[in-house]
Amino acid sequence: AQTVTQSQPEMSVQEAETVTLSCTYDTSESDYYLFWYKQPPSRQMILVIRQEAYKQQNATENRFSVNFQKAAKSFSLKISDSQLGDAAMYFCAYTGANSKLTFGKGITLSVRP
Amino acid sequence: GAVVSQHPSWVICKSGTSVKIECRSLDFQATTMFWYRQFPKQSLMLMATSNEGSKATYEQGVEKDKFLINHASLTLSTLTVTSAHPEDSSFYICSAIDPRQGGTEAFFGQGTRLTVV
Repeated sequence: AQTVTQSQPEMSVQEAETVTLSCTYDTSESDYYLFWYKQPPSRQMILVIRQEAYKQQNATENRFSVNFQKAAKSFSLKISDSQLGDAAMYFCAYTGANSKLTFGKGITLSVRP
Repeated sequence: GAVVSQHPSWVICKSGTSVKIECRSLDFQATTMFWYRQFPKQSLMLMATSNEGSKATYEQGVEKDKFLINHASLTLSTLTVTSAHPEDSSFYICSAIDPRQGGTEAFFGQGTRLTVV
């Protein structure tokens, strides 16, 4: 079975600074996708970024980028120029052949003004 | 991106009654939808996979007679919490896979906050 581990329950970052959220996963599949989701206080799940396992290039979306280390099964999210609106709970997630999403426990990110 | 609408956003019901939550894909057909449960400050726990035209597949430990799932059309899945009790109070979220986008990305409804009194 696939597992996703987010070991840090909380993090804090100063506005305009950079923060990295960690995630590791375990799988025996060779073809899979990894995601970072943001869940603000409204609790609507918002896709931040996705990474296809077969792609070596790290995904980027504006201020958000990932460091995908396939051999180490690591998938961290870097948020640059943090903004107050980035404060939320962030979930790392995995999907493979069965299309089911496996989520990590999540991390609560706070942004200090 | 694809839109998934969940209704109602919140509901309060009395113990012993049943409540139905709807999940609709508004601009695409979804053969597969998923239902999750989330407690405050915790992760999403997959309850079941809803398959259009066939029985839902429940995760281990989820009572299929308590949480009835029906996926009668390609755009609608419903979750009915039967004989609700206060411990069923939670946040329920649905998601659907848009096959037009490679079938790898899930789109989420807004969620339903259920309170059983």
